[in-house]
Amino acid sequence: DAGITQSPRHKVTETGTPVTLRCHQTENHRYMYWYRQDPGHGLRLIHYSYGVKDTDKGEVSDGYSVSRSKTEDFLLTLESATSSQTSVYFCAISGVSNEQFFGPGTRLTVL
Amino acid sequence: QQQVKQSPQSLIVQKGGISIINCAYENTAFDYFPWYQQFPGKGPALLIAIRPDVSEKKEGRFTISFNKSAKQFSLHIMDSQPGDSATYFCAASMGQTGANNLFFGTGTRLTVIP
Repeated sequence: DAGITQSPRHKVTETGTPVTLRCHQTENHRYMYWYRQDPGHGLRLIHYSYGVKDTDKGEVSDGYSVSRSKTEDFLLTLESATSSQTSVYFCAISGVSNEQFFGPGTRLTVL
Repeated sequence: QQQVKQSPQSLIVQKGGISIINCAYENTAFDYFPWYQQFPGKGPALLIAIRPDVSEKKEGRFTISFNKSAKQFSLHIMDSQPGDSATYFCAASMGQTGANNLFFGTGTRLTVIP
């Protein structure tokens, strides 16, 4: 998985609780992304980062925030989880080309 | 609204046959078209990609055909094998460099029967 780890790999939480997912890369790539994967939708971009402390919104950013304090780490936070945020979350990285490489994913269930 | 439309949703092919998956897009600013392969419980893996300045790209048994005027592109898997059974996603993005938002199709579940 191209030097990308995600943690946790599985999480079950309750509606209204905060959740933070972590993406860690060892490739020193500049760009990092968070996607969610849902049946019938493919993957959709939530947020992305183009450098330390530089982030921007994607297609489905409502209810999510991100932070990047180091090149290697990109955090995705659900401030108050809802059942509609039950999904599989993928982190991706890219360097100077358009090629994006994906991590193994985190399966999140919000009850 | 889905920016990239993918069909079929599922596909069953005999071993040794040709698997064909089609995608269509509307945004003419798209200039990068990758295909990803995903096995259950794994992240998507980049398979092959094409830019609109060529009409075809081949890597091993995998070929992308690109029709710029029709705004369509397709993945052909020659001599399909049971190990090719996976979900395939087409995607599109714009911009030669820098951060790029990949817009994905909804996926095609391919099953290759021995």
